[in-house]
Amino acid sequence: GNSVTQMEGPVTLSEEAFLTINCTYTATGYPSLFWYVQYPGEGLQLLLKATKADDKGSNKGFEATYRKETTSFHLEKGSVQVSDSAVYFCALSEAGGFKTIFGAGTRLFVKA
Amino acid sequence: SQTIHQWPATLVQPVGSPLSLECTVEGTSNPNLYWYRQAAGRGLQLLFYSVGIGQISSEVPQNLSASRPQDRQFILSSKKLLLSDSGFYLCAWNSKTSGSSYEQYFGPGTRLTVT
Repeated sequence: GNSVTQMEGPVTLSEEAFLTINCTYTATGYPSLFWYVQYPGEGLQLLLKATKADDKGSNKGFEATYRKETTSFHLEKGSVQVSDSAVYFCALSEAGGFKTIFGAGTRLFVKA
Repeated sequence: SQTIHQWPATLVQPVGSPLSLECTVEGTSNPNLYWYRQAAGRGLQLLFYSVGIGQISSEVPQNLSASRPQDRQFILSSKKLLLSDSGFYLCAWNSKTSGSSYEQYFGPGTRLTVT
């Protein structure tokens, strides 16, 4: 079945450091891929998405590229801020599918 | 624009008491609706989803149930709460629009503590 695997946290970085959170997936067909972010005490928000191979999703300085050959969708940001501290979830849904498969989440702490 | 509401925001209930959590969506019609549970420091567990009024699919057998009495209303219930039902409950929706990538939109959540 479909699955999403993302790096375990927590990840602790200093402000302005480079961020990478790894995500790989297993899926039949051609899924859409997502990164969601959850700030403390809140629901999840869509951060970015990519719907086909080689697409790059980007938002708020975050980027991720849909790599079909490596079945990966790694999240990157060049310079993190304290306000980026949150839990990040990688996810996939297949076209026509009713369900989204979420990774376990990676908690990010950014220190001033 | 679309919005999703959940209430209550927080709830403290004794073991064995009933539960009713409500979720409503505005600004869209015929959405897919979802209930998730998130235990402390953990990922998301899909509990139920619904593709239409009266249509409920259960993902995990447990003492919870869900109902969809109206197109944009989704209710999570229990007759008798267990300690293990504590957690953060999230409602979400997405669109059936052809060609959509099916991203989901989440409500603010209900934090349930069973004592």
